[in-house]
Amino acid sequence: DAKTTQPTSMDCAEGRAANLPCNHSTISGNEYVYWYRQIHSQGPQYIIHGLKNNETNEMASLIITEDRKSSTLILPHATLRDTAVYYCIVRVSGTGGFKTIFGAGTRLFVKA
Amino acid sequence: ETGVTQSPTHLIKTRGQQVTLRCSSQSGHNTVSWYQQALGQGPQFIFQYYREEENGRGNFPPRFSGLQFPNYSSELNVNALELDDSALYLCASSLVGGMNTEAFFGQGTRLTVV
Repeated sequence: DAKTTQPTSMDCAEGRAANLPCNHSTISGNEYVYWYRQIHSQGPQYIIHGLKNNETNEMASLIITEDRKSSTLILPHATLRDTAVYYCIVRVSGTGGFKTIFGAGTRLFVKA
Repeated sequence: ETGVTQSPTHLIKTRGQQVTLRCSSQSGHNTVSWYQQALGQGPQFIFQYYREEENGRGNFPPRFSGLQFPNYSSELNVNALELDDSALYLCASSLVGGMNTEAFFGQGTRLTVV
């Protein structure tokens, strides 16, 4: 079973920030938080990951709470092309491979 | 666009047949994982290969098997196809030995079993 819980769907106005929450209350100390997104019928696309510090890249920002039990993915200026299913995943680094347990994700609708 | 390629992109098979799906991993990656994604659901982990051996498996029956080759490319084989095997099959490659390495996914193979 996935170790994360996410809202089923969210709406966001184009140009506004999209804030996608994720709960991972049972996260272990050596598990990272990863975010992927999947546009209809394509392979999942890596967005960002972090351990305990907030992270930012050209696509998004990741805010992880101090207790690491939840996180928020922020798309600062959402566009129509950001409409997708967003998956929050926790996994251990250096495990000898990439075994990822996906939940159902959050379906983000960006509206004009 | 990632360097992970999958073939074929679409496939139609009859129940009871066997199928082989292929994945070429990104240059420099040495681990391949396979996932099954039914319509409207998140990807489900099938298994992963590292150094040509299976080193992790999800809740899938033995008729799902795989191979990894010396060039790190991989195959997924499914025997005795069932209607419920109809899904998008995804492979992802990553690099073992690095910290928190992200995986890169291919575009998937859409398998339809009739």
